[in-house]
Amino acid sequence: DQQVKQNSPSLSVQEGRISILNCDYTNSMFDYFLWYKKYPAEGPTFLISISSIKDKNEDGRFTVFLNKSAKHLSLHIVPSQPGDSAVYFCAAYVGGANNLFFGTGTRLTVIP
Amino acid sequence: EPEVTQTPSHQVTQMGQEVILRCVPISNHLYFYWYRQILGQKVEFLVSFYNNEISEKSEIFDDQFSVERPDGSNFTLKIRSTKLEDSAMYFCASNRDSTYEQYFGPGTRLTVT
Repeated sequence: DQQVKQNSPSLSVQEGRISILNCDYTNSMFDYFLWYKKYPAEGPTFLISISSIKDKNEDGRFTVFLNKSAKHLSLHIVPSQPGDSAVYFCAAYVGGANNLFFGTGTRLTVIP
Repeated sequence: EPEVTQTPSHQVTQMGQEVILRCVPISNHLYFYWYRQILGQKVEFLVSFYNNEISEKSEIFDDQFSVERPDGSNFTLKIRSTKLEDSAMYFCASNRDSTYEQYFGPGTRLTVT
């Protein structure tokens, strides 16, 4: 039941450069997408979200892009900072339902 | 900033024993959730709770699991007879409206021996 997929388990980026994390989904009923960041021994922390009626949402250094025709979304972090090093999860809702479907996560390492 | 809290942080129990995991959601939130993450796997939805009843549950949430909001602040997950495969991180989450982002607690690591 892999409705949300993150195909890159890890990503390393130099400090100051752009980090691009990718996520694909299969369920066309998803209408709300979220990115969470997780540090070891902590719960997922909400970062940014996007509704399926939009194709871009920006919040400071974080921008999420949604390509509905490709069933693909991405999270851009610019500029990347060492404190951004964490596991990033993509998640999605079906409208009217309560449960989040999570991807398997991408471990981002930002190298100083 | 308000946050979801969970106790204990780590629970070790023997197979067949009952465990209760506790959560205090953010105070003005109305929707409550439990998720789990088995080591090395993705975060999986267990159950959602609204207006003192279960609104959705996954296939994982079988008869061994139950949830309760015993008072105005706590939200608990009970596993009646634990199995080895119940070993996981259990996360509680809440939001004030089902259309908004969910806020997660730090998790309880359950180890069943």
